[in-house]
Amino acid sequence: DAGVIQSPRHEVTEMGQEVTLRCKPISGHNSLFWYRQTMMRGLELLIYFNNNVPIDDSGMPEDRFSAKMPNASFSTLKIQPSEPRDSAVYFCASSFTSGVFLAKNIQYFGAGTRLSVL
Amino acid sequence: KQEVTQIPAALSVPEGENLVLNCSFTDSAIYNLQWFRQDPGKGLTSLLLIQSSQREQTSGRLNASLDKSSGRSTLYIAASQPGDSATYLCAVLNSGYALNFGKGTSLLVTP
Repeated sequence: DAGVIQSPRHEVTEMGQEVTLRCKPISGHNSLFWYRQTMMRGLELLIYFNNNVPIDDSGMPEDRFSAKMPNASFSTLKIQPSEPRDSAVYFCASSFTSGVFLAKNIQYFGAGTRLSVL
Repeated sequence: KQEVTQIPAALSVPEGENLVLNCSFTDSAIYNLQWFRQDPGKGLTSLLLIQSSQREQTSGRLNASLDKSSGRSTLYIAASQPGDSATYLCAVLNSGYALNFGKGTSLLVTP
């Protein structure tokens, strides 16, 4: 398997523009996560999907952020309008989550999208 | 709220040295603890996963221990190599899915 695939790898945009980040999880995985990494706050969970359904979006910072998972092989994270403080690296991760084997749950991460909002 | 702390924030050692990275967490009700490696411009790679019922895991030159009652884990790297230079992240799984990460230890192994 090619692993978790994210696009684009780098995104530079101007304040106020819409930004869409894309993720293709590992085939067969039923859980998908979006994280944001900054120097100040480290890695933070933004949203978690299970079987394409958003389960926990409490980490989404504002209404400007939205995420969708229309099918098991694709997810998007959208920021509209973007602001300079949104500049960060955004990671997508996937895993196979079994209720019986939670302790063995390993998340596999994509290479990330480095977003710069000018 | 789970707090995960990693000490030191940065470490520089000469090649060949054995070293220990530390991770502490405030809530001992965890499912597992994971150590990840992050290379510049790359994603995270899972190195070791220790389930809450386990005390340690080993992979090659890496050994990770877990003391859940005291909220501590260590990652031991034997005979360090320049290729080990990276940021090492510790993360704990509290709920069925939520990984709480430390801010990492940036390791530099000099030839």
